[in-house]
Amino acid sequence: NAGVTQTPKFQVLKTGQSMTLQCAQDMNHEYMSWYRQDPGMGLRLIHYSVGAGITDQGEVPNGYNVSRSTTEDFPLRLLSAAPSQTSVYFCASSYEGTIYNEQFFGPGTRLTVL
Amino acid sequence: EDKVVQSPLSLVVHEGDTVTLNCSYEVTNFRSLLWYKQEKKAPTFLFMLTSSGIEKKSGRLSSILDKKELFSILNITATQTGDSAIYLCCLQGAQKLVFGQGTRLTINP
Repeated sequence: NAGVTQTPKFQVLKTGQSMTLQCAQDMNHEYMSWYRQDPGMGLRLIHYSVGAGITDQGEVPNGYNVSRSTTEDFPLRLLSAAPSQTSVYFCASSYEGTIYNEQFFGPGTRLTVL
Repeated sequence: EDKVVQSPLSLVVHEGDTVTLNCSYEVTNFRSLLWYKQEKKAPTFLFMLTSSGIEKKSGRLSSILDKKELFSILNITATQTGDSAIYLCCLQGAQKLVFGQGTRLTINP
């Protein structure tokens, strides 16, 4: 099992560029989510999905899009990057519908927007 | 709106001290409360709490939940420098997970 994988590990963008952060898990988890972590802010939920074809907004969704066409993949798209999106991004997954809802985190993507 | 508040935000102690980290919350549909430890990379799971008054223990770490007063504490006894990390409290409500700001714990030798 690879667990939760994220690519890339690091990325530098210019303001206005678009990109997709990739997230994949091989544990057949239904629940997947994206967080951003800024200094002193803890983890903030961007978008989440409770299963293929179902997504919903979290606490800070503006400027990000997601889709969930398969159980395994949950990409996060930045449509027009802004310096305020400089952050560390974590993808996580867990079982849903059971008591086993420990979140498994990917290694993170450090994004800098110039 | 579901909410998690951790305190203190930052704590510096000496090796061997005992620390208590606090997590208070507001939630409309409680499912579980989780504690994570984050060192340099992704958070790692410590405990999941679903019932009041039942202490979970793992070595020098323990945690308990009070669903009446809406808080949880994480205790670390005989702290070591390897306990230095950010400790995150996370609440699972109806569907979403909500994290607190984290407590940055520094253990000085």
